[in-house]
Amino acid sequence: GQNIDQPTEMTATEGAIVQINCTYQTSGFNGLFWYQQHAGEAPTFLSYNVLDGLEEKGRFSSFLSRSKGYSYLLLKELQMKDSASYLCAVLDSNYQLIWGAGTKLIIKP
Amino acid sequence: GAVVSQHPSWVICKSGTSVKIECRSLDFQATTMFWYRQFPKQSLMLMATSNEGSKATYEQGVEKDKFLINHASLTLSTLTVTSAHPEDSSFYICSARGTGRESDTQYFGPGTRLTVL
Repeated sequence: GQNIDQPTEMTATEGAIVQINCTYQTSGFNGLFWYQQHAGEAPTFLSYNVLDGLEEKGRFSSFLSRSKGYSYLLLKELQMKDSASYLCAVLDSNYQLIWGAGTKLIIKP
Repeated sequence: GAVVSQHPSWVICKSGTSVKIECRSLDFQATTMFWYRQFPKQSLMLMATSNEGSKATYEQGVEKDKFLINHASLTLSTLTVTSAHPEDSSFYICSARGTGRESDTQYFGPGTRLTVL
């Protein structure tokens, strides 16, 4: 079966750095996405990785290792507004998005 | 960037009535649209995938006669919840995938919060 694992909840301090991991086992791979979802709102796109390596976009970076079935989202200089759920999703061989359950990130002052 | 709108943002209806939710891609052509449902504190659940001009593909456990999906044009898909009941109260979110630059990801609408009394 298809499976995406990410921690349920993480806590970090304002101004710090946090890394949210995601491991996946899917039928085929056409890329991995990270989305941010604030409570009561729809997800918003953060990043897309299809090749191995690190993609940096401002305070957020995303890493992918296809051989290990592993990705992480790195958030730097955390701000209170970064408190949200972060969803990892993989595009499988049928171009369907397989979603992780999401990681709730709590930022403390 | 690619923008997807949803209408209405929220709706309250009586049990037994039908509710139509619209999803529009504003600045690109969406060859594929997805409908999701999300209950409080739970993950997104894919309900169905629709390609323009063809019948929607429903996920297992989703009643296609209850959740009617129409993807009549490259910029509009509608979800109609027929004979809504309180257990249908949820956050309904659409997303759209296009061609070219917009084919790399799914762009989400802002969601529609449905409350059935």
